[in-house]
Amino acid sequence: GENVEQHPSTLSVQEGDSAVIKCTYSDSASNYFPWYKQELGKRPQLIIDIRSNVGEKKDQRIAVTLNKTAKHFSLHITETQPEDSAVYFCAATYSWGKLQFGAGTQVVVTP
Amino acid sequence: GAVVSQHPSRVICKSGTSVKIECRSLDFQATTMFWYRQFPKQSLMLMATSNEGSKATYEQGVEKDKFLINHASLTLSTLTVTSAHPEDSSFYICSARGGRERYTDTQYFGPGTRLTVL
Repeated sequence: GENVEQHPSTLSVQEGDSAVIKCTYSDSASNYFPWYKQELGKRPQLIIDIRSNVGEKKDQRIAVTLNKTAKHFSLHITETQPEDSAVYFCAATYSWGKLQFGAGTQVVVTP
Repeated sequence: GAVVSQHPSRVICKSGTSVKIECRSLDFQATTMFWYRQFPKQSLMLMATSNEGSKATYEQGVEKDKFLINHASLTLSTLTVTSAHPEDSSFYICSARGGRERYTDTQYFGPGTRLTVL
């Protein structure tokens, strides 16, 4: 199966600074890598995703990079705001589209 | 966008009873639905994959006789926790895949069901 490792487990940043979360995966057949944001007690919400035929994707303050050779992908949030505080999960597909999630990163943005 | 609903949002039951959770895709036909369980401060753990009209496939370690899944239509999947015990208390979340997007591998999540077994 797939193994996804995510770091760091917690990340504290000052408002306006950037936040970077890194994930590695094990299955070279994985071809889809979504990132989800989950607030306490709420559903995971897709914030950005990237497919294996692309190395980088950006959506306003959020960007994701993918290095297939090294099997790692990263989430970058610029100009962080207090509302960015949440748990962020990376994931990678395996076995007919199932998702293996990372352990999550608790991001705290302090004003 | 792709909207997934889940009902109930919260349920408290006595040990030994059964609980049914519904997951619906509201504005698209879900070829596949997934059921996850999430314990406090932990990640999402896949329990089973549900395809319309066929038997669900369960992940290793998940008891299929305890967690009954029925995917009766392209918009509805149900999870029944049978003979629930306190250790089954958790946040159960469904996701649905399939829609009008070019790529159908994107999973959209329901709001989750908080199950508490007394």
